[in-house]
Amino acid sequence: DGGITQSPKYLFRKEGQNVTLSCEQNLNHDAMYWYRQDPGQGLRLIYYSQIVNDFQKGDIAEGYSVSREKKESFPLTVTSAQKNPTAFYLCASSMTGARQPQHFGDGTRLSIL
Amino acid sequence: QQPVQSPQAVILREGEDAVINCSSSKALYSVHWYRQKHGEAPVFLMILLKGGEQKGHEKISASFNEKKQQSSLYLTASQLSYSGTYFCGTEGGDDKIIFGKGTRLHILP
Repeated sequence: DGGITQSPKYLFRKEGQNVTLSCEQNLNHDAMYWYRQDPGQGLRLIYYSQIVNDFQKGDIAEGYSVSREKKESFPLTVTSAQKNPTAFYLCASSMTGARQPQHFGDGTRLSIL
Repeated sequence: QQPVQSPQAVILREGEDAVINCSSSKALYSVHWYRQKHGEAPVFLMILLKGGEQKGHEKISASFNEKKQQSSLYLTASQLSYSGTYFCGTEGGDDKIIFGKGTRLHILP
């Protein structure tokens, strides 16, 4: 079955450490997205990519970085510059353009040790 | 700007109807609706496009008033499975969807 796989499900970060969240999709979608979800805040866009080797900042990109070297993969790195990284991170993909349904992964919950 | 959803939360008995509203301060090209159950991924419900086209589940009903930049999601004869948090997302022609804070819906048996 096609879908989006996020790993790990739970992740713990130490102070000053960079961590990378994995997102892989086999839906043959061109567009991929990273969202951060905090209680009562909805989904906030971190980065998005409409095509391989290209990506754009969302509304809360500071302290995060991404790469899009392959169509299937869109990893997110939470850097030490992100001072409040504790949140639920969701990856999504869609056919090209923002007027297509987005398919979400099951998320990664990141906590600070 | 983040769209505003109302109400923030609603409790219904099974079989009752509900309306969830979504309002934006900017011109919109599309409105998106998703439902998320606790601890799970959001699930696509519907997209409403400028000009009247809709994509989504046949059993879901929604409206999009382009002039008022508002959308409403109609849940009729609610079932226990409808419980969850409903998010609207708005798109203003820049390939980004901005989601609201969500409306929590709880259905009682």
